[in-house]
Amino acid sequence: QQPVQSPQAVILREGEDAVINCSSSKALYSVHWYRQKHGEAPVFLMILLKGGEQKGHEKISASFNEKKQQSSLYLTASQLSYSGTYFCGTETQAAGNKLTFGGGTRVLVKP
Amino acid sequence: DTGVSQNPRHKITKRGQNVTFRCDPISEHNRLYWYRQTLGQGPEFLTYFQNEAQLEKSRLLSDRFSAERPKGSFSTLEIQRTEQGDSAMYLCASSHGYEQYFGPGTRLTVT
Repeated sequence: QQPVQSPQAVILREGEDAVINCSSSKALYSVHWYRQKHGEAPVFLMILLKGGEQKGHEKISASFNEKKQQSSLYLTASQLSYSGTYFCGTETQAAGNKLTFGGGTRVLVKP
Repeated sequence: DTGVSQNPRHKITKRGQNVTFRCDPISEHNRLYWYRQTLGQGPEFLTYFQNEAQLEKSRLLSDRFSAERPKGSFSTLEIQRTEQGDSAMYLCASSHGYEQYFGPGTRLTVT
C-alpha cells in the first residue's frame, strides 16, 4: 500500500522552514527520501533505517518514528534550489530496497 | 561514473505495437530497478534484478511486460501490444547499497 504524504504542496519564502510527512499503514524497515525537479530524474536525499541510522543532505534532515510508522523531512532555511517534488519511498522488509513511493509533495521556494 | 543512461528518451508508438527500452546502469551496480511514473504521481515499482536474476515482479505488471538483464549488465524492458494506458515515463535505477540512482527515463506515448 502506498505511503501517504502531507502536505500535497507548500509554498515558502527563501529562508523559511518546512516539514513534509510520510505515513505508512505497514511496519517499515526503511524510508528513503528523493527530490525530483520538473523533467528530471529523482535524486536521492537520504535514508532512514529501522533502528535509527540516518544519513543527511545539506540543510535537510529527517526523522523516523517507528511506533507511528511515520517519517518527517525537515527543510531548514530553504533555498531556491530546494524547489521540486519530494517523494518518500518505503520498504516494509529488508528485501533488496524495493520501494513503494508516496504521491509526492510539491515545494516551491520563492525569493 | 557516467550515471544511469536510458534509451530512447522518447518513444511514440501506435496502440498494438511492441516497444523495447534499454537501461545501462552505473558500472558495478549489482541491483537494477524498473519503475513507471505517470504525471503527478510517484514512481511505481515494476521489477528488479540482482545481477542477472529477476528477483521480483510487481503484480501490476501484466504478461505484456517482460524485462531481462543478460550477464548482469544492461537491462531491457519490453512492452508487447501496447495500450494507451501504458503511456508513462519509464524510469530505471541502479544501486550497490541503499541509494538508488535514477536514469533520465524513457517517455512513452501510445496513440
